[in-house]
Amino acid sequence: QVQLQESGPGLVKPSETLSLTCAVSGSSISDGYFWGWIRQPPGEGLEWIATIHHPEITYYNPSLKSRVTISIDTSKNRFSLRLSSVTAADTAVYYCARQGGFKETTTWYPSWFGPWGQGTLVTVSS
Amino acid sequence: DTVLTQSPGTLSLSPGDRATLSCRASQSVRSNYLAWYQQKPGQAPRLLIYGASSRATGIPDRFSGSGSGTDFTLTISRLEPEDFAVYYCQHSGSSPPFTFGPGTKVDIK
Repeated sequence: QVQLQESGPGLVKPSETLSLTCAVSGSSISDGYFWGWIRQPPGEGLEWIATIHHPEITYYNPSLKSRVTISIDTSKNRFSLRLSSVTAADTAVYYCARQGGFKETTTWYPSWFGPWGQGTLVTVSS
Repeated sequence: DTVLTQSPGTLSLSPGDRATLSCRASQSVRSNYLAWYQQKPGQAPRLLIYGASSRATGIPDRFSGSGSGTDFTLTISRLEPEDFAVYYCQHSGSSPPFTFGPGTKVDIK
């Protein structure tokens, strides 16, 4: 059974960098799936942030791309998110999730998200 | 960008009722990349349907998905008390951004 667990600071100061890690258990992070980050501001809907596929295929939300880096650490079976120059608008529950794929001819593309981690609330405030 | 619009915003129904939720895309999308999720308060979303019509593992058969092109539907045949929640559709594929609809809240009438 695949399980994901987010970790990182719950409070980040404005203009600083938010760093989160997602530990994966029950599956190898290099076994062919994609891995993604999604966030949800309090009381609002879901926003996709970024997706990665081992070793280096990445997809970024264009609205966040200039501030976001997603990476994989296969030695620790985890993946990470860095979001720079944060503001109060980045306050949200951040989720990590496994992302399934669909094969078109010879290439796999990201599809559904599941399972999800429990989420971690990150507040941006001085 | 593909924008997903969900309707209605809120659906007030009783246990045992049939629920029909709509997700409309601003442009045609491949069914393989259309998914539905359920989210209860304080919990992470849970995958219900992928590929527009395939139930995820462990999802009861009262949940079904259908549609193609720009119009997709999630149907709950008979609402159980645990089904009252917010439901999101989502699209992905080869070209970001991967988007979620704004959600439909199914609450108790």
